[in-house]
Amino acid sequence: QLQESGPGLVKPSQTLSLTCTVSGDPIARGGYYWTWIRQHPGKGLEWIGNIFYPGTTYHNPSLKSRVIISVDTSKNQFSLRLNSVTAADTAVYFCARVPYSGAYHFDYWGQGTLVIV
Amino acid sequence: QSALTQPASVSGSPGQSITISCTGTSSDVGTYNLVSWYQHHPGKAPKLLIYEVTKRPSVVSNRFSGSKSGNTASLTISGLQAGDEADYYCCSYAGSTTWLFGGGTTLTVL
Repeated sequence: QLQESGPGLVKPSQTLSLTCTVSGDPIARGGYYWTWIRQHPGKGLEWIGNIFYPGTTYHNPSLKSRVIISVDTSKNQFSLRLNSVTAADTAVYFCARVPYSGAYHFDYWGQGTLVIV
Repeated sequence: QSALTQPASVSGSPGQSITISCTGTSSDVGTYNLVSWYQHHPGKAPKLLIYEVTKRPSVVSNRFSGSKSGNTASLTISGLQAGDEADYYCCSYAGSTTWLFGGGTTLTVL
């Protein structure tokens, strides 16, 4: 199971910070891509980025260098930081998992959390 | 990179079949057999229906099937049920460890 958490309201120009708590699979075991995806109001989904434990990250080029994804194995969580937010970053944010190296789909998702800028 | 193109809405009666298309380009859908489909009931976690164009997780009903031709992938739902009413999203691997999603299709069961 995956569960997102974090502030529902962020001021423009500040940093959006979200955490995804993973249950049932130790992140430190490796082999998975831990992923952030978002859905703008009334729009489709947008892939934000992944982290492949222990720390290789990938992000959507459209978000340039504003994205930081990290892992905290002591809490079995991974996190998203999105800098310099604007109203365009208002969205429901989902965390998800790519199930194994060599897979390219997302088998488990959180329910999502709404962030308003 | 542009989002994959899906129809905004489709509808069908119980028992009928519907197909949702997902059009990309030769850089994503056309190159990689790595298209996946997700069902999303708003407020809930999206659910994986199809991966690698045609493969179905064991927990997913065989009423759901996927295919691809050229730059367009398709999801077919047969024997429509009221519970199938949801939003459906396609996704394609786009190379260089990046993914593209579609704009989503709302399915209405009449």
